[in-house]
Amino acid sequence: SQQGEEDPQALSIQEGENATMNCSYKTSINNLQWYRQNSGRGLVHLILIRSNEREKHSGRLRVTLDTSKKSSSLLITASRAADTASYFCATDTGGGNKLTFGTGTQLKVEL
Amino acid sequence: DTAVSQTPKYLVTQMGNDKSIKCEQNLGHDTMYWYKQDSKKFLKIMFSYNNKELIINETVPNRFSPKSPDKAHLNLHINSLELGDSAVYFCASSQGQGRNGYTFGSGTRLTVV
Repeated sequence: SQQGEEDPQALSIQEGENATMNCSYKTSINNLQWYRQNSGRGLVHLILIRSNEREKHSGRLRVTLDTSKKSSSLLITASRAADTASYFCATDTGGGNKLTFGTGTQLKVEL
Repeated sequence: DTAVSQTPKYLVTQMGNDKSIKCEQNLGHDTMYWYKQDSKKFLKIMFSYNNKELIINETVPNRFSPKSPDKAHLNLHINSLELGDSAVYFCASSQGQGRNGYTFGSGTRLTVV
């Protein structure tokens, strides 16, 4: 069964604006990860946040995790056209032998 | 140097045929995976291998048979291809049970006609 649901499904913003994507999941997790997928390409790992962490930063990315609400958000600040891609959250529910992916958010950053 | 490489990138074949997709990683990772991405971009795990041993088979039809000759390779053989098998298949690898994330290949787009 699908673990993560992402919201919104699609997001269109202007370059320089911030983009926020949300992910909700159903069961307890060890960690939650965010990936980017450019059109026609493989997924690229962006950031991992462990279940005992609440916020993490990496460059222009900020991820938050609220385990009580079973939700996470990915914020991309000062977006660029090159950020146009699909973004997926993925949950590791134990052992790391399987990541379960969300439905993805398609982000379009316009010049 | 490509970290996780899959071949072929595109595969068009007729229903009923048998085909293979190959995957190799040069990262020294101990776990490899096959994921299927459908037309709605939904990604679902198919198989997971750790040090050549199958650890996850996610209710995939037995027409799909993975083979891991060594921990750097995980191939996927598909028998009697069906229209519904059309999808993009991604190979991935990780180290330490994926606690630092997965590295994905660029995908194999399979079209069954």
